[in-house]
Amino acid sequence: QQQVKQSPQSLIVQKGGISIINCAYENTAFDYFPWYQQFPGKGPALLIAIRPDVSEKKEGRFTISFNKSAKQFSLHIMDSQPGDSATYFCAASDYKLSFGAGTTVTVRA
Amino acid sequence: GAGVSQSPSNKVTEKGKDVELRCDPISGHTALYWYRQSLGQGLEFLIYFQGNSAPDKSGLPSDRFSAERTGGSVSTLTIQRTQQEDSAVYLCASSPTGTGNQPQHFGDGTRLSIL
Repeated sequence: QQQVKQSPQSLIVQKGGISIINCAYENTAFDYFPWYQQFPGKGPALLIAIRPDVSEKKEGRFTISFNKSAKQFSLHIMDSQPGDSATYFCAASDYKLSFGAGTTVTVRA
Repeated sequence: GAGVSQSPSNKVTEKGKDVELRCDPISGHTALYWYRQSLGQGLEFLIYFQGNSAPDKSGLPSDRFSAERTGGSVSTLTIQRTQQEDSAVYLCASSPTGTGNQPQHFGDGTRLSIL
């Protein structure tokens, strides 16, 4: 049973465009919501994270929006660059991470 | 500083053999996690160590899987009598403490292939 649902499975965006990835969860015990970026042959790298008492967090071109009542959160990648082409995972933590299925992002130059 | 280190990076073995995978966490991190990444199952939790507490083994898929952490640092994941469905990337992560709202940092994993 997947505790975190992630969509879309893949997306293609033009350079300079915006990528949006959505996640939803059910377990209200989750208290930390990180996003990871993974390149082929590498481990997941922490990108940005949010706690449920905050509705939005921005770090550079990456923004998390968090809706506690809807139990949903999303990642926005602004001004997408070819180097952003990777697989992105949302996750939710109560002490261990429960991951979404991943979104493969392709940025076309 | 050094990140999480895992060895070997790749391991190919025959069905039925035992394998040991090693993880060196970030220095000073008290919490250590093992996860598995496979095409069919995605990223899934296996086991969690926090300080001197008994490990949380709730994610281990069978009794062929075991892990230990010596001296509160290095950890070894052992798979006995390997099966083809054990083929996956085994990832180790560490965090400063074991509380839920601490970042977990991953190594690059061990890619295990069972022939």
